[in-house]
Amino acid sequence: GAVVSQHPSWVICKSGTSVKIECRSLDFQATTMFWYRQFPKQSLMLMATSNEGSKATYEQGVEKDKFLINHASLTLSTLTVTSAHPEDSSFYICSARTAPVYKNIQYFGAGTRLSVL
Amino acid sequence: GENVEQHPSTLSVQEGDSAVIKCTYSDSASNYFPWYKQELGKRPQLIIDIRSNVGEKKDQRIAVTLNKTAKHFSLHITETQPEDSAVYFCAASWMDSSYKLIFGSGTRLLVRP
Repeated sequence: GAVVSQHPSWVICKSGTSVKIECRSLDFQATTMFWYRQFPKQSLMLMATSNEGSKATYEQGVEKDKFLINHASLTLSTLTVTSAHPEDSSFYICSARTAPVYKNIQYFGAGTRLSVL
Repeated sequence: GENVEQHPSTLSVQEGDSAVIKCTYSDSASNYFPWYKQELGKRPQLIIDIRSNVGEKKDQRIAVTLNKTAKHFSLHITETQPEDSAVYFCAASWMDSSYKLIFGSGTRLLVRP
C-alpha cells in the first residue's frame, strides 16, 4: 500500500528557533499533501493544503508566515515552524493523496511531536 | 464551511458486542466519507470509506451507512475485539474544496475483554 514517511518523529527546540518537518510519499507521487495539527486527545485540524509547484492554501486562522510550507517535488512537502514558541508545541501530521484525485484517499505520516521549550 | 460532528466521544463495549459511532455533516455537497482508526501514538489508518452514490458498504466486521437526506453516516463494528480499541475519526470531503477532509472530533472506543 501507499507509504508516507514523516521526519523527524520527535523534535525539541528552544523558543525562537525554526524547525523543519519533512513529509515524503515513498512509493507514489502526490500532487497534493495536507498538513494537520493534533492536540492531545483531540481531532485533526487541517492547517494547509500543499500542491506541488504552487503556493500552499492555508485554512482560516493559520499564520502563513509562521508555518511555511514548500512542496517542491511530487514526493516531498516540508513544513517549517518559524520562530517557534511554546504554544506551537503540538503533534503535526501530514497526509498525501493518491491518484486519481476523485478517489481522494489520503495516507498519513506517523506524525511529528514538537516540543518548544 | 463544512462542519462534522461525531458522537459519542467515548464508547465502552464488551468484547463480542457491536459498536456504533455516528457523524453528521453540514454541507450537502459533501460526497466522500472516510473513517480512520488511530491507535495511541500512531498514524491514522483508513479503515473504510463510502461515497455519496452508495448507501452502505461492508468490509468483514466493519460497515458504514450513509443517509444523504439526513446528512449523517455511521460506522458499525460487529463482534468487537480488544484490538479494536482505538480512537476513530469520521471525515467528510467535497469536490469543490481541493477534496480536503474535515474531521469529526473522534470517538475513543474501549473493548473490554
